[in-house]
Amino acid sequence: SQQGEEDPQALSIQEGENATMNCSYKTSINNLQWYRQNSGRGLVHLILIRSNEREKHSGRLRVTLDTSKKSSSLLITASRAADTASYFCATVIYGNNRLAFGKGNQVVVIP
Amino acid sequence: NAGVTQTPKFRVLKTGQSMTLLCAQDMNHEYMYWYRQDPGMGLRLIHYSVGEGTTAKGEVPDGYNVSRLKKQNFLLGLESAAPSQTSVYFCASSPGTSVETQYFGPGTRLLVL
Repeated sequence: SQQGEEDPQALSIQEGENATMNCSYKTSINNLQWYRQNSGRGLVHLILIRSNEREKHSGRLRVTLDTSKKSSSLLITASRAADTASYFCATVIYGNNRLAFGKGNQVVVIP
Repeated sequence: NAGVTQTPKFRVLKTGQSMTLLCAQDMNHEYMYWYRQDPGMGLRLIHYSVGEGTTAKGEVPDGYNVSRLKKQNFLLGLESAAPSQTSVYFCASSPGTSVETQYFGPGTRLLVL
């Protein structure tokens, strides 16, 4: 079964706006990762946040993790047309050596 | 440094035919994975390998076989293709355990008629 579930599924914003997407999961995790997929391409790793971390930044990306609510959010600030892509969260469950992917968020940034 | 490459990029098969998808990585990674991606389903793990000569089943292994004879290569085989195996297949690798970053190939689009 899918461990991560992103919300919302699709988002359309104007260039320069911020984009926020959420991910929830069901069991205890070792870490949570976010990936980006451009149309017709493979996934690219964006950021990893460990279970003992609450917030992490990478450039225009900000990820938060709330283990009590079993949820994470990805914020893209000052979005660009090049940010148009699908974004997936993926979790690593304790005792498991696999990534479990959510179904993805499609983000469209309008120039 | 090519990263993760996949061959072929696109293939059309008839039901019952067989084929092998090749994944190669030049990063000396221990772990390798095969996923399939279907619309609205995200990525589902088919098989994976934690080192040369080892393989293990993932979430949706039925109808597929794999081999990891060399550390840098991970092969995915379809012995008798079915229309339900129409999908986009992605290979990925990671340095050690999958708790770390995975590096993905560009994908193989497979259409089974």
